[in-house]
Amino acid sequence: DTAVSQTPKYLVTQMGNDKSIKCEQNLGHDTMYWYKQDSKKFLKIMFSYNNKELIINETVPNRFSPKSPDKAHLNLHINSLELGDSAVYFCASSPGLAGDLYEQYFGPGTRLTVT
Amino acid sequence: AQTVTQSQPEMSVQEAETVTLSCTYDTSENNYYLFWYKQPPSRQMILVIRQEAYKQQNATENRFSVNFQKAAKSFSLKISDSQLGDTAMYFCAFPNTDKLIFGTGTRLQVFP
Repeated sequence: DTAVSQTPKYLVTQMGNDKSIKCEQNLGHDTMYWYKQDSKKFLKIMFSYNNKELIINETVPNRFSPKSPDKAHLNLHINSLELGDSAVYFCASSPGLAGDLYEQYFGPGTRLTVT
Repeated sequence: AQTVTQSQPEMSVQEAETVTLSCTYDTSENNYYLFWYKQPPSRQMILVIRQEAYKQQNATENRFSVNFQKAAKSFSLKISDSQLGDTAMYFCAFPNTDKLIFGTGTRLQVFP
C-alpha cells in the first residue's frame, strides 16, 4: 500500500495552460510538503502545511497555489505554465516538525514538461 | 543562515569497494537530526540513514554508516561493499525552521 502517492507521474503540457498535481499520504502524518527538483537535481522546498495550515511559503511565483483539503491531501495548482516550470515536483510528508519527526517520506515525483 | 554543503558533485567506486561521501553543515543548534537520502535513477527519494546529534555513537544501517563529527559539523556517509544498485544521487539533509535543507547532492556511480 503506497505511503505517499502523487498523480500524475508524468505531465506534458503547453505554455499558458493550467494544471494540477495531486498528493495523498496514508501515514497519518501532520505535515506535508511540495518540493521542486530542477535539471541539476537541486531540491528546493516550495510549500509546507501542518494540520492543513500553511506554514512555509518560499519565494515561489503566485502562479503556484497549494491547497490542503484535509491532513492527508496536499494538491498543487499551477496557472499560466511557463517553460521554466519544467521540473520534477515531489510531494512529501513527515510526522511533525521536531527532531526525528522531520524525516520526510517522499512520493514518486511528477515530471512536468512544459512545451 | 543554516546551510548544508556537499563538496563532491560526482564520485565513482568499483563494486565491493568502500566509498565515503562528505557533508558539512552549519548550525547553532545543539540537538538535531541529520539525514542521508538516496535517489536512484527511478527518482524515488529513499531515506538511507539518520543520526541524532545528541548521540556520540555513529549510526549504522547494514552496509551504510555515518561518520559524525559534531564539533567539525561533518556528517559523512560511508558505503561498504558497494553494489551496482547503490548507483544514485545522495543528498544529506538538515532541519531548519520547519523544513529540511538539502545539500546539492553527490552523484555516485558504482561500476563492475
